[in-house]
Amino acid sequence: EVQLVESGGGLVQPGGSLRLSCAASGFTFSSYSMNWVRQAPGKGLEWVSYISSSSSTIYYADSVKGRFTISRDNAKNSLYLQMNSLRDEDTAVYYCARDYYDSSGYSPPGGFDYWGQGTLVTVSS
Amino acid sequence: QSVLTQPPSASGTPGQRVTISCSGSSSNIGSNTVNWYQQLPGTAPKLLIYSNNQRPSGVPDRFSGSKSGTSASLAISGLQSEDEADYYCAAWDDSLNGPNVVFGGGTKLTVL
Repeated sequence: EVQLVESGGGLVQPGGSLRLSCAASGFTFSSYSMNWVRQAPGKGLEWVSYISSSSSTIYYADSVKGRFTISRDNAKNSLYLQMNSLRDEDTAVYYCARDYYDSSGYSPPGGFDYWGQGTLVTVSS
Repeated sequence: QSVLTQPPSASGTPGQRVTISCSGSSSNIGSNTVNWYQQLPGTAPKLLIYSNNQRPSGVPDRFSGSKSGTSASLAISGLQSEDEADYYCAAWDDSLNGPNVVFGGGTKLTVL
């Protein structure tokens, strides 16, 4: 069974840092591209970052570029998000999400088939 | 303000057919495929439709998607009470600042 379990969320002051982790199991983690997606309380979904299976390709949303760093450790089946210079508007539930691959091996851009349960990050003084 | 535009709400009665629209631009829907997600209250999103009109295994054929130009639609036929949820469209965006995924603001579907 595919499982994605996020951890590392919590309360942090503006300007502070936090590191989120996502532990993957039930599939060959090293074969899949991964993403972070967030959802502010009562708001919609916002994509944050993408990392390819080998870490060779990385993308960020403009809203976090220069402040957040995505990384992965395939030996540990883990995905990470280092968040620095946090702002009030970064308050959200952060989900890790796996890229979807159909039966032919095609991966539709922006298609995520498995999501974690989310970890809440609250930025407040 | 979301890059993709969805109506904030939609409603229908059991058995009815409802559609949810998603409007974008040439840099996202106009040049890339559209995905749809369903988010039940208190849960993570679920992939409902990918590549405009394809259903992942396990998604009922009551759900269908379409795309024309810079707009897309999700249709739900034979509406059921368990379909009450938030629905989001998403697409890749070929932004000048770098590629990224953009979502619609979400549509809250109420089954009356």
